[in-house]
Amino acid sequence: QLVLTQSPSASASLGASVKLTCTLSSAHSTYAIAWHQQQPEKGPRFLMKINSDGSHSKGDGIPDRFSGSSSGAGRYLTISSLQSEDEADYYCQTWGTGIWVFGGGTKLTVL
Amino acid sequence: EVQLVQSGAEVKKPGESLKISCKASGYTFTTYWIGWVRQLPGKGLEWMGTIYPGDSYTKYSPSFQGQVTILADKSISIAYLQWSSLKASDTAMYYCARLNEEMGTIEYFQNWGQGTLVTVSS
Repeated sequence: QLVLTQSPSASASLGASVKLTCTLSSAHSTYAIAWHQQQPEKGPRFLMKINSDGSHSKGDGIPDRFSGSSSGAGRYLTISSLQSEDEADYYCQTWGTGIWVFGGGTKLTVL
Repeated sequence: EVQLVQSGAEVKKPGESLKISCKASGYTFTTYWIGWVRQLPGKGLEWMGTIYPGDSYTKYSPSFQGQVTILADKSISIAYLQWSSLKASDTAMYYCARLNEEMGTIEYFQNWGQGTLVTVSS
């Protein structure tokens, strides 16, 4: 079964960096994923797609502070120079044949 | 610019029917898949189903199969999410989103609508 696992919460200080993790089920460790950001009281926004080799492609207007990487079944979103507006829920999402799956989301708090 | 504009908030009673809409613009409606995503209050995102407006081929999540119907009217570039008999547990925010296709694979939700809040209460 295609499953994405995320930690429920993360926190980091203003101006610091944070790395969010999304882990694919072991049988699907080569899958690409996408990251989406949902700021409070807003709809989701596509951030980037991350491939198994770590290459990534960002959505329009996504700042350079956002980057992606990959290792094994893990897909990562790194946000550097944290700003207050980065406080949001972050969801990873993947796809199979006729199926689309979201992780449970990580709530990022900027201290 | 790709835009998906959803219909406004709805308040309904249990047992009532409902159809919410997602108006697409800025691209060729018939050549991109559109998906619907549910977000229960305070919870995460759940994929409900996906439609290809070119031929209205539809794929549903097993969790939502038989519970909702996804439609598209390509003459006016609108996708719909429809219920025949609402339940209180359908109270949620619903998002439509255009899916990106790469090398023939339908991949990620690339462009999102603003969401439609559906409240079902007696």
